Amino acid sequence: DIVMTQSPDSLTVSLGERATINCKSTQSLIYTSDNNNYLAWYQQKPGQPPKLLFRWASTRESGVPDRFSGSGSGTDFTLTISSLQAEDVAVYYCQQYYSTFPTFGGGTKVEI
Amino acid sequence: QVQLQESGPGLVKPSETLSLSCTVSGDSVTGYYWSWIRQPPGKGLELIGYVFDTESANFNPSLMSRVNMSLDTSKNRFSLTLTSVTSADTAVYYCARGGYTVIDLWGRGMMVTVSS
Repeated sequence: DIVMTQSPDSLTVSLGERATINCKSTQSLIYTSDNNNYLAWYQQKPGQPPKLLFRWASTRESGVPDRFSGSGSGTDFTLTISSLQAEDVAVYYCQQYYSTFPTFGGGTKVEI
Repeated sequence: QVQLQESGPGLVKPSETLSLSCTVSGDSVTGYYWSWIRQPPGKGLELIGYVFDTESANFNPSLMSRVNMSLDTSKNRFSLTLTSVTSADTAVYYCARGGYTVIDLWGRGMMVTVSS
């Protein structure tokens, strides 16, 4: 099984400041056949279902503000919020879909 | 606009079977992966399993002995059964589109409590 580990568990960031969330997998998420990283990011606001933010590690979904960016490759990935807004308070999850049974990281709670 | 709606009992007794359905509106269930994900109170996300067609499914190894999923194309819905439930199965249960790859559409979620 591929285990996804996120860090930190939580972070407090001032409005307008940068938030950085890390995600590490126990094996590479790159398929050599297409050179893509099989890694997604989700945002879950309180009382709501998760929302897909990124697929392929860095491909932003339609409607996601460009202050959000995804980066990384292989086993180490990062979600960055360049200028934190009040509406970004949420728990963020990474997910690998490299294996036939995808798994999630434990989540990172972002607070102001 | 595609929407997913979970339905089923919100309270299940220990050792009994949890049964949920997810009705899909706005698109056909055919041709997509459909999944169930759960989230215990205050905890993270766990993929229970996913189904692709009436005969193709993949389940979380930790739940495999207790879980089943099915797809009903005539009613445009898919279902989850989880047997021999305990308090550890208390969670918000989400139905969603995807599962083998990214999960791009989620239901609102349904709280299921296991208690006598």
